[in-house]
Amino acid sequence: KNQVEQSPQSLIILEGKNCTLQCNYTVSPFSNLRWYKQDTGRGPVSLTIMTFSENTKSNGRYTATLDADTKQSSLHITASQLSDSASYICVVSDRGSTLGRLYFGRGTQLTVWP
Amino acid sequence: EADIYQTPRYLVIGTGKKITLECSQTMGHDKMYWYQQDPGMELHLIHYSYGVNSTEKGDLSSESTVSRIRTEHFPLTLESARPSHTSQYLCASSGDRPNEKLFFGSGTQLSVL
Repeated sequence: KNQVEQSPQSLIILEGKNCTLQCNYTVSPFSNLRWYKQDTGRGPVSLTIMTFSENTKSNGRYTATLDADTKQSSLHITASQLSDSASYICVVSDRGSTLGRLYFGRGTQLTVWP
Repeated sequence: EADIYQTPRYLVIGTGKKITLECSQTMGHDKMYWYQQDPGMELHLIHYSYGVNSTEKGDLSSESTVSRIRTEHFPLTLESARPSHTSQYLCASSGDRPNEKLFFGSGTQLSVL
């Protein structure tokens, strides 16, 4: 069964600290892996998209890694800010159709305290 | 960055009412989607469209219907709302290439009393 599992479910860190969020997936075949940031009551916003051949991609203070062999990804946030408080969603796309079906994780709820 | 708009942002209605959630995008995307999301849960695809006059049901069974008469417009309709329809509804669009970014609207939070 194609699944995307994220950990931890929630995380609280102090402003300025770093953190790493995890994503494990069983989706096959694999096309790409995406990380989204979703503020409360808003739609998700794309942070990174990685294909099979990419093992790291950065977007400002966000760095995503991908290990397609172990089917694991991580999102590292450096020097956290209060505005980083949000849900971070891992999404994996398969190559089963022209649409490229998307499998969503439940997200990691990050809270940054001052 | 995203030019995709949803209205209303919040909607509280009584059981049995007919509602239409609006979604428009100005990016010229052929592909559009409707997702349903409950608190703390993953997004579930309920409808998608590849282009004008093309609509398909998604993975999650939904009593809602959609239409795609114009490229930029993808409204979702509930003929008779029920409390079980209470949820957040997210509209999204993307280009045609496989690794295209998915752009989301801000969502409509629907509460049916």
